[in-house]
Amino acid sequence: GALVYQYPRRTICKSGTSMRMECQAVGFQATSVAWYRQSPQKTFELIALSTVNSAIKYEQNFTQEKFPISHPNLSFSSMTVLNAYLEDRGLYLCGARTGTGDTQYFGPGTRLLVL
Amino acid sequence: GDSVTQTEGQVALSEEDFLTIHCNYSASGYPALFWYVQYPGEGPQFLFRASRDKEKGSSRGFEATYDKGTTSFHLRKASVQESDSAVYYCALGPNTGNYKYVFGAGTRLKVIA
Repeated sequence: GALVYQYPRRTICKSGTSMRMECQAVGFQATSVAWYRQSPQKTFELIALSTVNSAIKYEQNFTQEKFPISHPNLSFSSMTVLNAYLEDRGLYLCGARTGTGDTQYFGPGTRLLVL
Repeated sequence: GDSVTQTEGQVALSEEDFLTIHCNYSASGYPALFWYVQYPGEGPQFLFRASRDKEKGSSRGFEATYDKGTTSFHLRKASVQESDSAVYYCALGPNTGNYKYVFGAGTRLKVIA
């Protein structure tokens, strides 16, 4: 079956520092990977959509300068939160899908706490 | 733009009760519809999908029927268990003119033993 792993599951960083999170698809080819932030106030905020061999599409209020993403192959993607501040807290989810299917499979998320 | 409305924010039931969580959507095209379930501390898990009118999706005793006429995809289960306690999300898939998935606000289900 389709599985998506994310690590770390939980991380704490000091305000102004950066942290990197990873997403791994197992059992299928993740042609596109979407990164979301989930918080109590906003259910699913799409940060960016990354499709292999295409430019990464960032949503309004999210930039490559703040959330650089790498999607080097069909099983792996990473995103970094640069200069994290309190408003960056939340559960970061990776949703992966194949090129032919329309079902998005999520990882367990990386919970970011900022002190 | 496309949208999904889940009318119930929270639902509390006893074990073996019948469950209905309402989901209505608004979309210009003909998107696939999804249900996801999220347990505490985990990411959303795909339950099932449907992609055409009158198609029924089902999994783990849950089911929903794509109804283009009423623009609905209501989630039902005949007999809930305490282990079904979770947050349920209805979602629209990418559509003509919309590359994003659109999620409802979620419905928190609490089942009391």
